[in-house]
Amino acid sequence: KNQVEQSPQSLIILEGKNCTLQCNYTVSPFSNLRWYKQDTGRGPVSLTIMTFSENTKSNGRYTATLDADTKQSSLHITASQLSDSASYICVVSGGTGFQKLVFGTGTRLLVSP
Amino acid sequence: DTGVSQDPRHKITKRGQNVTFRCDPISEHNRLYWYRQTLGQGPEFLTYFQNEAQLEKSRLLSDRFSAERPKGSFSTLEIQRTEQGDSAMYLCASSLDGGGGNYGYTFGSGTRLTVV
Repeated sequence: KNQVEQSPQSLIILEGKNCTLQCNYTVSPFSNLRWYKQDTGRGPVSLTIMTFSENTKSNGRYTATLDADTKQSSLHITASQLSDSASYICVVSGGTGFQKLVFGTGTRLLVSP
Repeated sequence: DTGVSQDPRHKITKRGQNVTFRCDPISEHNRLYWYRQTLGQGPEFLTYFQNEAQLEKSRLLSDRFSAERPKGSFSTLEIQRTEQGDSAMYLCASSLDGGGGNYGYTFGSGTRLTVV
């Protein structure tokens, strides 16, 4: 079964600190992996997208890594800000036929002052 | 182009009533998707269109749900005889073809449905 699992489920960190969110997937065949940020009551906003051949991709203070062999990805947030408080969702595209997105349940991050 | 627009943002309806949501995708995008998201969960796929053709529907899309994209531009999602279990955020997304590469998927802000 195609699944995406994220950890931790929730996280509280102090403003200015770094954190790393994890994503494990079993989607096969694999096409690409995306990280989205979703503010409460809003739609997801894309942070990064990585294909099979990409190991790392950065977007400002966000750096995503991908290990296609172990089917793991991480999202590292540097020097966190209060505005980083949101849910971070790992999404894998793949499967056969229509490459629908398989969503993780997200990590809820709270950055505390 | 201001991205994917969804209307209304919020809808409160009584059980048994019909509701209709609208999604305006990014104009260059040929694919349009509908997802449903409940609290604390990731979005679940409902259906997608390539241009005006509805190419796939999830088993989550019961016969009370119908989606259209008549001219290959905007789409509507109608829920008939709403039930309390239909309460969720309904997200629309669009993409150019499969949404790979730098295009990705672009999501709207969603329509929050509450059935009372």
